[in-house]
Amino acid sequence: GAVVSQHPSWVICKSGTSVKIECRSLDFQATTMFWYRQFPKQSLMLMATSNEGSKATYEQGVEKDKFLINHASLTLSTLTVTSAHPEDSSFYICSANFQETQYFGPGTRLLVL
Amino acid sequence: SQKIEQNSEALNIQEGKTATLTCNYTNYSPAYLQWYRQDPGRGPVFLLLIRENEKEKRKERLKVTFDTTLKQSLFHITASQPADSATYLCALDKAAGNKLTFGGGTRVLVKP
Repeated sequence: GAVVSQHPSWVICKSGTSVKIECRSLDFQATTMFWYRQFPKQSLMLMATSNEGSKATYEQGVEKDKFLINHASLTLSTLTVTSAHPEDSSFYICSANFQETQYFGPGTRLLVL
Repeated sequence: SQKIEQNSEALNIQEGKTATLTCNYTNYSPAYLQWYRQDPGRGPVFLLLIRENEKEKRKERLKVTFDTTLKQSLFHITASQPADSATYLCALDKAAGNKLTFGGGTRVLVKP
């Protein structure tokens, strides 16, 4: 149990466009999901906490208008990178809580050209 | 400020030996400490969780210790195998289900 999926697994887009990443808990319900970003050879940095039915909580330095989060159901959270730029290229990973533990999705590689 | 430190140098170890990784933290009082494994291009995979009132936890060939006085956790992989080669991350949180703060990770390379 406790499987988290992400879609897409990788995406390439042009600068200025928006990209949506989905995070799903497949076999459990998650009122809270988390979005992380990981640059090469670095650790995971928490971007925001996604709460079902309410606004996301963003970490310091993360622009909420640039990284839109929607947690519309107990099994789905989406992260939209708006007006993406090359510096937004990174590995985006979501996680969801299940029985005291966070389970992570496989990640989404974003490349902005 | 809060800091979580893991040895940034890769750990090269011979197959069959025990790998020991260290996670040190400062300015933090975590209720839980977790260890994850991450392979290149993949999300972290949960391995073990240890609570602040627990000294040691085991799971198959893995063993974790948690010393809240030293503010340190040790992660052991016994009888290591080449398939254990990966980056291992420690993470702390203050409450179950709370947001995690990750260390930088230690890369382990097990040679046959």
